[in-house]
This record gives sequence, structure tokens and C-alpha cells, in this order.
Amino acid sequence: AQTVTQSQPEMSVQEAETVTLSCTYDTSENNYYLFWYKQPPSRQMILVIRQEAYKQQNATENRFSVNFQKAAKSFSLKISDSQLGDTAMYFCAFMKLTGTYKYIFGTGTRLKVLA
Amino acid sequence: GAVVSQHPSWVICKSGTSVKIECRSLDFQATTMFWYRQFPKQSLMLMATSNEGSKATYEQGVEKDKFLINHASLTLSTLTVTSAHPEDSSFYICSAIAPPGQWPSGANVLTFGAGSRLTVL
Repeated sequence: AQTVTQSQPEMSVQEAETVTLSCTYDTSENNYYLFWYKQPPSRQMILVIRQEAYKQQNATENRFSVNFQKAAKSFSLKISDSQLGDTAMYFCAFMKLTGTYKYIFGTGTRLKVLA
Repeated sequence: GAVVSQHPSWVICKSGTSVKIECRSLDFQATTMFWYRQFPKQSLMLMATSNEGSKATYEQGVEKDKFLINHASLTLSTLTVTSAHPEDSSFYICSAIAPPGQWPSGANVLTFGAGSRLTVL
């Protein structure tokens, strides 16, 4: 069975600084997707970034980038130039490509951006 | 991109009554939708996978007679909490994946509704 672990329950960062959120996962699958979702106080889940496991190149989306280490089963999220609007709960998620599109979510990291 | 609408956003009901929550995919056809439950400050717990035209697949420990799921069309899934009790109070979130042919750039991306907060008195 797959598991996703986020070892940082809470983090804070000063506005304009950079922060990295950690995520590790366990799977025997070779083909899968990894995601970071953001849940702001409104509680609407929003996709931040996704990574296909077969791609060696790390995904980037504007200020958000990942460090995907497949052998180490690590998938960290780096937020550059942090903004107050980045304050949210961040969930790492895993989905294997075979089967039922079922996502496995980590327990989340609560990020607070300080003015 | 794909949009999922969920209604109502919040509902208060009396113990013993039933409540229906609707989840609609607005600009794509979703053969599969998912229902999650989220407790305060916790992660999302998958309750069931809703399959269009067939029975839902429930996760272990989820009472299928308590949480009725109907996926009667390619754009609508409903979750009915039957004979609700205070312990059913929670935040319920639906989500869907657009088939690759309908949203190539969003392949395998789960799109979420805004959630429904249920309070049972």
C-alpha cells in the first residue's frame, strides 16, 4: 500500500523569503503522479503543482517548484518570494497510474506567511 | 480548466433527518467522482468513489447505508447523509477527474468542489 508522509505539521516564513515543505512517500509502483495541493482558509482545494514520475525534470509553476528525488521517494515543494496569500494548508498527494485514480494524501503542513 | 460545483456550501439539520449534497462537473463529463470527509485541522479522508451508472465503491469503515452515493449522470453525483447524528457533523468535499481527452493539460488532476459544512444539531 502507498503512504504519504509530511513531517512538518506547521511552518512559518517571512514575506518575500523562501520556504521548503517536505514530503516523502512509499510505493512499489514505477508509474505515478505526485501533487501539491493548497487549502487556504476558504477550504477550497487548489492544485499548486504536479509531477509525473517518469519525468526527471522538476516541475515548476511560477514561484512554486519541486525537488523530486525518485530513488529517495522524496517530493519537496519550494515556495519562492512568499506572499501573504500563500498562507494555507499544503497537502502532498500520490496517485498511481493504474487502477481507480485514487489519491493518497499526506497529513498536511500548515504554512503561515508573516508580514 | 475543469470546474466542480458543490452545493450547499453549508447546511444545518436536526438529528434524525437526511441531508443531500450535490456535486456537479460544470464543463466536463466525469465518469468518476470522489467524496471526502475532512475533520478540523486534519487531512482528507476518502469516503467513496462514485462511478457513473454503477454502485459506489466505499472505503473500509464507511457505512454505505449511512452515506448514500448516487452518480446518475456524467455531470452529477450526490451524497445523502441519512438519519444524521451530531457525529456526522463535518466538512464534506467532492472531487472529479476530467478524462484526458476532455482536458489534456489537466490529465489525472483532481478538481475539487468548494466543500459542504454539515452541522447536525
